[in-house]
Amino acid sequence: NAGVTQTPKFQVLKTGQSMTLQCAQDMNHEYMSWYRQDPGMGLRLIHYSVGAGITDQGEVPNGYNVSRSTTEDFPLRLLSAAPSQTSVYFCASNTGPHHNEQFFGPGTRLTVL
Amino acid sequence: DQQVKQNSPSLSVQEGRISILNCDYTNSMFDYFLWYKKYPAEGPTFLISISSIKDKNEDGRFTVFLNKSAKHLSLHIVPSQPGDSAVYFCAASGYGSARQLTFGSGTQLTVLP
Repeated sequence: NAGVTQTPKFQVLKTGQSMTLQCAQDMNHEYMSWYRQDPGMGLRLIHYSVGAGITDQGEVPNGYNVSRSTTEDFPLRLLSAAPSQTSVYFCASNTGPHHNEQFFGPGTRLTVL
Repeated sequence: DQQVKQNSPSLSVQEGRISILNCDYTNSMFDYFLWYKKYPAEGPTFLISISSIKDKNEDGRFTVFLNKSAKHLSLHIVPSQPGDSAVYFCAASGYGSARQLTFGSGTQLTVLP
């Protein structure tokens, strides 16, 4: 099992550009989530999904879109990148509600200039 | 307003001694607590959890203590090993959609050989 994979590992964008962060898992987990980690802030939930076709907002959803067309994939779209979106992004998956053990991907470091 | 607080950004401990990492929370609806460990350039990995119906949970060298009246939990690592050097995040979950996790800001533990 590859677990949770994320691409790309690093990305630099200019303000206003759009991009999609990819996340895939091969553990057949129903729940998937996107977090961002900023210095001194811990991890904050952006969006999550409890199954294919079902998504919901987390704590900091503004500026991001998600969709879940398959169990395996959960891409995160930045519609118009802003410097405030400079962060490290983690995707996670788990078998049930968030308080179950979550498996995290290695992260994507995004810089918006 | 941070609902989960880790007030010590860093902690240094001698190898073989006990490491104690602390976490405070403010939301009385939290009823499940987790600790995650994170190495540089990797995603967080689940370490140990505790339900609010317990006051202690042990797994090998790791023990988590919960004091509900004080809204405080702690992670004890005995004995500490250099490989334990990492950032430790406390997280909490309560009733709500998919039981989202709220993370603390993390504590960098350094175990000195």
